[in-house]
Amino acid sequence: DGGITQSPKYLFRKEGQNVTLSCEQNLNHDAMYWYRQDPGQGLRLIYYSHIVNDFQKGDIAEGYSVSREKKESFPLTVTSAQKNPTAFYLCASSLSGQTHSNQPQHFGDGTRLSIL
Amino acid sequence: ELKVEQNPLFLSMQEGKNYTIYCNYSTTSDRLYWYRQDPGKSLESLFVLLSNGAVKQEGRLMASLDTKARLSTLHITAAVHDLSATYFCAVDPRGRGGSEKLVFGKGTKLTVNP
Repeated sequence: DGGITQSPKYLFRKEGQNVTLSCEQNLNHDAMYWYRQDPGQGLRLIYYSHIVNDFQKGDIAEGYSVSREKKESFPLTVTSAQKNPTAFYLCASSLSGQTHSNQPQHFGDGTRLSIL
Repeated sequence: ELKVEQNPLFLSMQEGKNYTIYCNYSTTSDRLYWYRQDPGKSLESLFVLLSNGAVKQEGRLMASLDTKARLSTLHITAAVHDLSATYFCAVDPRGRGGSEKLVFGKGTKLTVNP
């Protein structure tokens, strides 16, 4: 079955450490996204990518970095510059373009990141 | 800047009752999505609304879109406990194209009591 796989499910970060969250999809989707969810809040967009080797900052990109070297993969690095990284991180993917406007974004199961 | 507001943010209702969740947004768009999230879980797509007057129904849930009023509603009919979850609406600020760069509401946490 096609889907989005995020790993790990739980992650702990020490102060000053960078950590990388994995997101892989086998849906053949062009577009991929990273969101952050804080308790009682909606989702806020961190980064997104519509095509391999290209990505754009979302609303809260500071302290994060991404890469899109393969269509299937969109890893997110939470750097030491992100001072409040504790949150639930969700990766999503979708088909891109107006011909696919009836298709929603599909989400992975998320990674819960905490500070040690 | 697009803002998406849901209300209520918390909703406790009894089984068998009806209720409506509202989603208002601040700029023109004709692309709106509803998602469901169970505690600690991912988001599940419920409805995709793509034009003014669009209405979609699935079981006890019905969603509609009024682009002129910039309002979408999610109506719950004869609620059952299994509907307890957090419901999010999300709007495409460009109003066209794929579901790209969505702006989410804060979510409505629904609890259905026996």
